[in-house]
Amino acid sequence: NAGVTQTPKFRVLKTGQSMTLLCAQDMNHEYMYWYRQDPGMGLRLIHYSVGEGTTAKGEVPDGYNVSRLKKQNFLLGLESAAPSQTSVYFCASGLDSSPYNEQFFGPGTRLTVL
Amino acid sequence: AQKITQTQPGMFVQEKEAVTLDCTYDTSDPSYGLFWYKQPSSGEMIFLIYQGSYDQQNATEGRYSLNFQKARKSANLVISASQLGDSAMYFCAMRGLSGGGGYQKVTFGTGTKLQVIP
Repeated sequence: NAGVTQTPKFRVLKTGQSMTLLCAQDMNHEYMYWYRQDPGMGLRLIHYSVGEGTTAKGEVPDGYNVSRLKKQNFLLGLESAAPSQTSVYFCASGLDSSPYNEQFFGPGTRLTVL
Repeated sequence: AQKITQTQPGMFVQEKEAVTLDCTYDTSDPSYGLFWYKQPSSGEMIFLIYQGSYDQQNATEGRYSLNFQKARKSANLVISASQLGDSAMYFCAMRGLSGGGGYQKVTFGTGTKLQVIP
């Protein structure tokens, strides 16, 4: 099993450009998450999904959109990138809603917005 | 709302010594899970250990143990016999009720950077 994969690994954008980050998992997990990691701030939840066709806002959703058209994929979109969105983005998946199950993380995408 | 606090931005430990990384949490949920993740310089997030709020015994996984003190709302990670490969960022996290819909969200602390000295 590949686990959780993210595409691309690195990307540089200019202000105002758009892009989509792809997350894929092969563990048949219901829950998927997008986080951003900034120095000194830990991981902050952007959006998450509790199943195919569902999405919900997390802690810092502004400027991002997501879609979960297939159970195994969770897409994160930036419609008009801003320098404040320079960050490392992590995707994660989880089996279900039990508080006793850990999340499985992808390798991360390092995004720089100039 | 749930909150995780890690008060140690950085720690040093001598190789082969034990080290404790602090984590306190705040929640009113009756059931929750507590997790520790390791993030080496390569960037990936590695799950280390888990503790359930109703677990009577502290969790252990090899050289990792979780010192769970429910009344004090603390979930400290203890690493025994530190190795050079333990140098990394360590994040404490909690999974609890999200305010209406189940245990959907996970809240992370800001992390502790551990450096193991030869």
